[in-house]
Amino acid sequence: EAGVVQSPRYKIIEKKQPVAFWCNPISGHNTLYWYLQNLGQGPELLIRYENEEAVDDSQLPKDRFSAERLKGVDSTLKIQPAELGDSAVYLCASSIDGRGLNTGELFFGEGSRLTVL
Amino acid sequence: AQKVTQAQTEISVVEKEDVTLDCVYETRDTTYYLFWYKQPPSGELVFLIRRNSFDEQNEISGRYSWNFQKSTSSFNFTITASQVVDSAVYFCALWADYKLSFGAGTTVTVRA
Repeated sequence: EAGVVQSPRYKIIEKKQPVAFWCNPISGHNTLYWYLQNLGQGPELLIRYENEEAVDDSQLPKDRFSAERLKGVDSTLKIQPAELGDSAVYLCASSIDGRGLNTGELFFGEGSRLTVL
Repeated sequence: AQKVTQAQTEISVVEKEDVTLDCVYETRDTTYYLFWYKQPPSGELVFLIRRNSFDEQNEISGRYSWNFQKSTSSFNFTITASQVVDSAVYFCALWADYKLSFGAGTTVTVRA
């Protein structure tokens, strides 16, 4: 069974440029998460989707970050414009649980490492 | 709000030594899950163990064991007879209110 797939694995851009990350969750997983991991720190939740609905985006900086999961399967996270402080690893995860089934077992992709120059 | 604290930033051991990682958590929820994840240099977070808040029985799974104590809100993790391949960053995490919150991680280096 294929795991969570993310692309690109690495991205280097200059500040003020836009960037987008793509995630394809495990087939059948209705819940999708985007996490931000700064160097030397644990991942922090940016947004959680249940199917196509963003049920928790309280930690997403909405002035420059946006995300979508139009058909309830794969998802895109965008930053426009990028700032130096956005350099980090962006992790996508998926799970089969959601409302009513809540065990917290998330499956993570390898992440997309962003460097903003 | 949930909070997970891993007080140890780095641990270095010689192969075959045991390694114990500390984790303390905070939550107001009565139902929650606790996890340990491993993050090797490749970057992918690998699930190791999970424990729910109603089960304080400590177990051993291969070279991994854990000590869950609700009274002190601690969920410590031990690697027995460490190997070089165990070198990685280990994260303790708390699942509550539909959120998985991570600690800052402990970097484990196992020297041959």
